[in-house]
Amino acid sequence: ETGVTQTPRHLVMGMTNKKSLKCEQHLGHNAMYWYKQSAKKPLELMFVYNFKEQTENNSVPSRFSPECPNSSHLFLHLHTLQPEDSALYLCASSQETGLAGVGEQFFGPGTRLTVL
Amino acid sequence: GESVGLHLPTLSVQEGDNSIINCAYSNSASDYFIWYKQESGKGPQFIIDIRSNMDKRQGQRVTVLLNKTVKHLSLQIAATQPGDSAVYFCAEAYNAGNMLTFGGGTRLMVKP
Repeated sequence: ETGVTQTPRHLVMGMTNKKSLKCEQHLGHNAMYWYKQSAKKPLELMFVYNFKEQTENNSVPSRFSPECPNSSHLFLHLHTLQPEDSALYLCASSQETGLAGVGEQFFGPGTRLTVL
Repeated sequence: GESVGLHLPTLSVQEGDNSIINCAYSNSASDYFIWYKQESGKGPQFIIDIRSNMDKRQGQRVTVLLNKTVKHLSLQIAATQPGDSAVYFCAEAYNAGNMLTFGGGTRLMVKP
């Protein structure tokens, strides 16, 4: 176990549905991330939250909406998705010190999303 | 036309042999590099990292080599074991930021 949990582990949704992915980290970290892992592309960073503030939105379509209510929880709200959005969505967390260097990112097991 | 999935290069090694997995990175300004291992059904797991002021770093059974001249990174695994079978990704970051850019990955298969 990495200390990062994600629910649900599998999700099937239609294009008109609204669903949310949840991530929780038990490591006391101050930064959280959403990544997309598809069969067609390398692992892609979607969103970064540092100290609960979104600092990066990597040109992600607005049908993906992140929410970080506190430093331990991260959500990804989904609506009107397309079949090409089917992928493994990974959450990660790290402890960023603000000094030079990147903290080690700990990944959750992912949510396997299928959009019909 | 039919969509084609991301083709992962595959390295097949005999148990007990050494493995070398290579990665070419894209950004000459990158100053931090990481290797991750991803087993089936799991998220990526940190293996080892290296900063751009170094060219070699050793861990337990693993060594990372960095050649900034040709923007090349390699992961060496000594005495490869069946449990090492996984997909290995390199990742890069720059300006001490926490945005990682991942490579496409290499699948390592260990034959008993």
